[in-house]
Amino acid sequence: EAGVAQSPRYKIIEKRQSVAFWCNPISGHATLYWYQQILGQGPKLLIQFQNNGVVDDSQLPKDRFSAERLKGVDSTLKIQPAKLEDSAVYLCASGGAGNTIYFGEGSWLTVV
Amino acid sequence: AQSVTQLGSHVSVSEGALVLLRCNYSSSVPPYLFWYVQYPNQGLQLLLKYTSAATLVKGINGFEAEFKKSETSFHLTKPSAHMSDAAEYFCAVSEGVSNTGKLIFGQGTTLQVKP
Repeated sequence: EAGVAQSPRYKIIEKRQSVAFWCNPISGHATLYWYQQILGQGPKLLIQFQNNGVVDDSQLPKDRFSAERLKGVDSTLKIQPAKLEDSAVYLCASGGAGNTIYFGEGSWLTVV
Repeated sequence: AQSVTQLGSHVSVSEGALVLLRCNYSSSVPPYLFWYVQYPNQGLQLLLKYTSAATLVKGINGFEAEFKKSETSFHLTKPSAHMSDAAEYFCAVSEGVSNTGKLIFGQGTTLQVKP
């Protein structure tokens, strides 16, 4: 079974530029999550989708972050404009039955 | 609100020694509890999970954890550390009654294994 796919793996951008990350969840998983992991900290949920609807985006900085999952499968997370404090790993995860969440390898963002 | 506290941001053991990583949780509903491992430059891999069945949970790579409601703890153990166990370990909690899957993570514990 294929895992959660993410791209790009690494990205370096200047502050005020924009960046987009893509995620393809495990086939059949209805729930998709985007987490932000800042160096030295545990992951923090940014947004949760159930199929193509948003379940929880309470911690998403909506003035600069946006995410969509238009067809209920893959998802895109965008940051515009980026700030230095956005440097982090952006983890996509998906969940199916059995209360288990599976994570992708992450997209590493450095804002300079 | 749910929360997780991992005691000790850095744990160092010798190869072959007991590994004990501590996790305490706070939850107003029966929790689901998880341990994940993260190797350098990789995502999170599930080690084990507690979902209100047996209180002693066995996971991959020889790890296990015991749910103790009276102590609100879910400590991770392994009898004998191996060099390949060196990694970052995260404890996480989610709501058990209406499990939306949303995970609240602790700050993580870095495990160092010395030869």
